[in-house]
Amino acid sequence: AQSVTQLGSHVSVSEGALVLLRCNYSSSVPPYLFWYVQYPNQGLQLLLKYTSAATLVKGINGFEAEFKKSETSFHLTKPSAHMSDAAEYFCAVSRNSGGYQKVTFGIGTKLQVIP
Amino acid sequence: EAGVAQSPRYKIIEKRQSVAFWCNPISGHATLYWYQQILGQGPKLLIQFQNNGVVDDSQLPKDRFSAERLKGVDSTLKIQPAKLEDSAVYLCASSLAGAGANVLTFGAGSRLTVL
Repeated sequence: AQSVTQLGSHVSVSEGALVLLRCNYSSSVPPYLFWYVQYPNQGLQLLLKYTSAATLVKGINGFEAEFKKSETSFHLTKPSAHMSDAAEYFCAVSRNSGGYQKVTFGIGTKLQVIP
Repeated sequence: EAGVAQSPRYKIIEKRQSVAFWCNPISGHATLYWYQQILGQGPKLLIQFQNNGVVDDSQLPKDRFSAERLKGVDSTLKIQPAKLEDSAVYLCASSLAGAGANVLTFGAGSRLTVL
């Protein structure tokens, strides 16, 4: 079975501060991992994905995530938070199941940016 | 390219009534997903189609929920009769088959309130 655990359902940072959103995965095979962002009243959109090509993955809007197999982690970071980063962030894992991709999401972390 | 279209965006019904949601995926995307997102939780997969065939409906409450994907394009999700706990956002997503199958593109969602 595969799953992701997001630590901290709410995270608050000051504008300009480091953003760190935590995600740990559980997978019996090398996983595909993703971060999605959801702005209010919108669907989810892809921030970045890990597909084993490189452990440090750069995404949109200055976000990046590092795959650490030894820690089974895929934490999302951004050096300097902007007010527009306030949103909910979802970590997800994908695996092949019966010839089809099955994507499982974490519970989400709501990011608040304080001016 | 046009995104994933969903309608209606908002629906309020009373318990025991029925409701239907429609989704038009990105052209050429073979895989279509319906997720349920309850407030404060991550998206939960209800049903996954590959073209017009169901590949995963293990978490679909089949006594009240049904879904179809006619001609492998548009899809409709129906709830009959609705319960209070069905209040949620219903997200439709689509993806390519093959190598890009695990990158999902989401619609804006249909928010259901059951009174």
